[in-house]
Amino acid sequence: DSGVTQTPKHLITATGQRVTLRCSPRSGDLSVYWYQQSLDQGLQFLIQYYNGEERAKGNILERFSAQQFPDLHSELNLSSLELGDSALYFCASSVDSGRTEQFFGPGTRLTVL
Amino acid sequence: EDQVTQSPEALRLQEGESSSLNCSYTVSGLRGLFWYRQDPGKGPEFLFTLYSAGEEKEKERLKATLTKKESFLHITAPKPEDSATYLCAVQGLIGDYKLSFGAGTTVTVRA
Repeated sequence: DSGVTQTPKHLITATGQRVTLRCSPRSGDLSVYWYQQSLDQGLQFLIQYYNGEERAKGNILERFSAQQFPDLHSELNLSSLELGDSALYFCASSVDSGRTEQFFGPGTRLTVL
Repeated sequence: EDQVTQSPEALRLQEGESSSLNCSYTVSGLRGLFWYRQDPGKGPEFLFTLYSAGEEKEKERLKATLTKKESFLHITAPKPEDSATYLCAVQGLIGDYKLSFGAGTTVTVRA
């Protein structure tokens, strides 16, 4: 158990809908990262927050957004969902933005029908 | 852009048969190289961080090494419970702190 929690574990929804994925980092970790894992793309970095502020963006679609709250939990919002958004979404946390390891949560499996 | 290539894609081993996984990388200055283990449907589990060429880390039957262009994950006398996908990732010095992952090597150890 990494200490990173994610909810829900599974999410099934329809095209065009909007969903919210939630992540709680390990106790003491200030940075939260979101990654998407699909069969054809592997693990891809989406976005990073550090102590409530956006720190870095990867290949995140404009339909996706995220935020980190004062208690350091983070939410990833996915809107206007398409079939291709079906994937595993992982949250990871680290103590800071430096060269420290990132610990991953169990993931949320999103299925868009 | 950081690039990570892992080989082979898949590896089938007999229990006790040692082998090595390769991770070749291209990065504009290496901040760190990370190895993770991932079981099907689960989140990646952190194994090692390597920071500079010549560094080695060990954990049970696993040993990771690093050169300026590649890293190896050696599995010594593997057991069936070592079956998993092993992921390599790099973090560059320039820009953000994201991890760039390779596609992974899926290891199957038969009893």
